[in-house]
Amino acid sequence: GDSVTQMEGPVTLSEEAFLTINCTYTATGYPSLFWYVQYPGEGLQLLLKATKADDKGSNKGFEATYRKETTSFHLEKGSVQVSDSAVYFCALIQGGSEKLVFGKGTKLTVNP
Amino acid sequence: DTGVSQNPRHKITKRGQNVTFRCDPISEHNRLYWYRQTLGQGPEFLTYFQNEAQLEKSRLLSDRFSAERPKGSFSTLEIQRTEQGDSAMYLCASSLGTGVRSTDTQYFGPGTRLTVL
Repeated sequence: GDSVTQMEGPVTLSEEAFLTINCTYTATGYPSLFWYVQYPGEGLQLLLKATKADDKGSNKGFEATYRKETTSFHLEKGSVQVSDSAVYFCALIQGGSEKLVFGKGTKLTVNP
Repeated sequence: DTGVSQNPRHKITKRGQNVTFRCDPISEHNRLYWYRQTLGQGPEFLTYFQNEAQLEKSRLLSDRFSAERPKGSFSTLEIQRTEQGDSAMYLCASSLGTGVRSTDTQYFGPGTRLTVL
């Protein structure tokens, strides 16, 4: 079945460092891809999404590009802030289904 | 702006008891989802409604689990004869389904944390 694999965490960075969180997926067809974020004590929020190959999703300085050839959707940010400390989830929805399939999540801690 | 709300936020129960959770979606959203999240894992899909119709169910949703959305607004998730393995965060989400291919954002509630002793 469909699945999402994220890099293991936790990830600890200093403020203004470059961030990459790797995400690869296994799916038949052409899924839509998502990054959700969960800040401490809050619910899941959509960070960005991409619905077809080569699309780039972006929001709040974060970017991810839908790479069909490598089945990847890596999350990047050029300069992280302390406020970016959260758990990040990569997810997909397969066409014809309504269910989000999530990775296990990657916890990011940014130190001042 | 009223988001997705869930009640209760926490529930502690003894094994074998029944529990019921409620989810109130964003008011104009016609699609409602339930997920379960255990510690250190991503959320896992349980079931989904479009209006009052339950259209998709996961194999995770055993016979002890039942979900309803009687008037196409709020939804309830009931777990009968709870087991310790049911301890998890139960998440509800809603979306405004506008097309056949679902790329619509699912908006999540804060979750109900269930602890089964």
